[in-house]
Amino acid sequence: AQTVTQSQPEMSVQEAETVTLSCTYDTSESNYYLFWYKQPPSRQMILVIRQEAYKQQNATENRFSVNFQKAAKSFSLKISDSQLGDTAMYFCAFMPTQGGSEKLVFGKGTKLTVNP
Amino acid sequence: NAGVTQTPKFRVLKTGQSMTLLCAQDMNHEYMYWYRQDPGMGLRLIHYSVGEGTTAKGEVPDGYNVSRLKKQNFLLGLESAAPSQTSVYFCASRRELTEAFFGQGTRLTVV
Repeated sequence: AQTVTQSQPEMSVQEAETVTLSCTYDTSESNYYLFWYKQPPSRQMILVIRQEAYKQQNATENRFSVNFQKAAKSFSLKISDSQLGDTAMYFCAFMPTQGGSEKLVFGKGTKLTVNP
Repeated sequence: NAGVTQTPKFRVLKTGQSMTLLCAQDMNHEYMYWYRQDPGMGLRLIHYSVGEGTTAKGEVPDGYNVSRLKKQNFLLGLESAAPSQTSVYFCASRRELTEAFFGQGTRLTVV
C-alpha cells in the first residue's frame, strides 16, 4: 500500500520569505501523479500544483514550485515570496496511474503560518 | 458550474441516530471519494467509487455505508452514529488521470 509522509506538522515563515514543505512517499509503482493541496481556514481544498512522475522537469505555478526526486521518493513544495494568504494546511497526495489507480492517498498535512 | 456540492454543511447527531450525507458533482466524473479529516490525521479514505453502481472500501470503512446509484451522486450513510465519528467529511471527484475536486466539507458532531 502506498503511504505519504509529511514530517513537518507545523511551520512558520515571515512574509516575503521562502519556505519549503517536505513530502516523501512509498510506492512500488513506476507511474503516478503527485499533488499539493492547500486548505485555508475556509476549509476548502484547493489544488496548488501537480507533478506527473514520468516528467523529469519540476512543475511550477507562479510562486509555487516543487522539487521532485523520483529515486528518493521525495516531493517538496517551495513557496517563494510568501504572502499572508498562504497561511493554510498543506497536504501532499499520491495517485497511481495504473494498477489501483482509483486510490488517492494523502499525507497528514503541514500547517503553515505566514507572519507579517 | 457548481462542481462538487455536499449536503448538509453542518449536522449534530445524537449517539445511535442515523443520517446520510449527499455528494453531488456535475462534471461527469467517474471517480468519487469520501474522506474524513481529523486533527493530526490528515484525510483518511472511507469509501470510494470508480463508476455508477460500484463502491469499494477505503482505509477506515467501519461504521459507514455508501451507494452510487447515479453517476453524479455518492451517498455516505451512518447507520448508528458514534462519538468517534465526529469529524469533518469531504467528498471529492475526478476523471481518469486528473486531480480531484473537493466539496466544501460537512462538519458532523455526534453527542
